[in-house]
Amino acid sequence: NFMLTQPHSVSESPGKTVTISCTRSSGNIASHYVQWYQHRPGSSPTAVIYENNQRPSGVPDRFSGSIDSPSNSASLTISGLKTEDEADYYCQSNDITSVVFGGGTKLTVL
Amino acid sequence: DVQLLESGGALVQPGGSLRLSCVASGSSFTTHALSWVRQAPGKGLEWVSSISLTTGNTYYAASVKGRFAVSRDNSENALTLQMHSLRAEDTALYHCAQSSSWDWTDALTIWGPGTMVTVS
Repeated sequence: NFMLTQPHSVSESPGKTVTISCTRSSGNIASHYVQWYQHRPGSSPTAVIYENNQRPSGVPDRFSGSIDSPSNSASLTISGLKTEDEADYYCQSNDITSVVFGGGTKLTVL
Repeated sequence: DVQLLESGGALVQPGGSLRLSCVASGSSFTTHALSWVRQAPGKGLEWVSSISLTTGNTYYAASVKGRFAVSRDNSENALTLQMHSLRAEDTALYHCAQSSSWDWTDALTIWGPGTMVTVS
């Protein structure tokens, strides 16, 4: 099995841009798609990025995803931060027999 | 729109068993892979199990393999998680979730609100 490592927390001001990283411990980051989920307290998680860089309908284009093979990592970038973006964010990927979530990153917008 | 609703969560003693159910409203349930994902109090999301649509193959996290069993009944639009030999570390909110396609590794695009399992 592999692990996905995210920073525990990040914070930024409204209107700014923040990037959350997700590093895969083993196996090629490009070998399986990476998804990103937003999880607000009291609500169920929702996908904000799928297949590395695709946005589900209804997700604003302020959200973008990418992968970087040299660092074996994925990134979620949120631009034009709004207070409503404050939430926990999880990356997720898989291998041939399992699904793995990152530990989650708490985004504070202040 | 498809909505998922879990049930069956309860307080159970260590070593006990529990059966969770997830029922879907809407017609796409039978054309998508399904998963269980849990969140322990104060912790992050943890994948538990998935079931493929096309092959019926099942997949489990190492932490539950041999103790949990996932099944689906497409005629009833229902997903089930049978849990045995429960441990304190299984205490969590259990969500069922639907993949965006038949592929169990695809993004989980629809989630239920969850049902709470407490092992104590």
